[in-house]
Amino acid sequence: DGGITQSPKYLFRKEGQNVTLSCEQNLNHDAMYWYRQDPGQGLRLIYYSQIVNDFQKGDIAEGYSVSREKKESFPLTVTSAQKNPTAFYLCASSSTGGRLETQYFGPGTRLLVL
Amino acid sequence: RKEVEQDPGPFNVPEGATVAFNCTYSNSASQSFFWYRQDCRKEPKLLMSVYSSGNEDGRFTAQLNRASQYISLLIRDSKLSDSATYLCVVSSYNTDKLIFGTGTRLQVFP
Repeated sequence: DGGITQSPKYLFRKEGQNVTLSCEQNLNHDAMYWYRQDPGQGLRLIYYSQIVNDFQKGDIAEGYSVSREKKESFPLTVTSAQKNPTAFYLCASSSTGGRLETQYFGPGTRLLVL
Repeated sequence: RKEVEQDPGPFNVPEGATVAFNCTYSNSASQSFFWYRQDCRKEPKLLMSVYSSGNEDGRFTAQLNRASQYISLLIRDSKLSDSATYLCVVSSYNTDKLIFGTGTRLQVFP
């Protein structure tokens, strides 16, 4: 079964703690993306990567970090510098990363701050 | 002005009704347009791409009006299972990023 998996489904973060969200795809897609969705707002782009070992900041990268060591994996770390991390985090991938490409989403991770 | 604007709704319609949503975008250089569907607490899923000539997929019809900078989605013979939030998505004019609208919520009732 081809697709995008995200784990965990729910994640709780304590104050001052860094947490890492997993995203894996077996679609052989070159491009991967991380979005954040808050109630009443559209998806906002955090980081994206169009090729292994390369990634770019999106619109709201502050307080987040990523790595792209393997084509299949694009983990997102929410650092303690992100002051309002409670949100629904969605990972997506597309074949080549071009603007005409459809993006496919994983099931998401809900992050809650304790 | 937001780059992509949608009426948040909700649109409450009976089964069998026809309903239409519009979405406006701010930049005339946008090249790609999509409608995604998002169920409550789930990920967005592609419903259909929107082509310049308009396109249809079963009960769903998408139209693009470049002159007025809007796209539309028409749903005929609404089903209870059509209840969801419909996201309008437009490509950024100068990067490979997609811009997501906040969504229009549809509730179909028996």
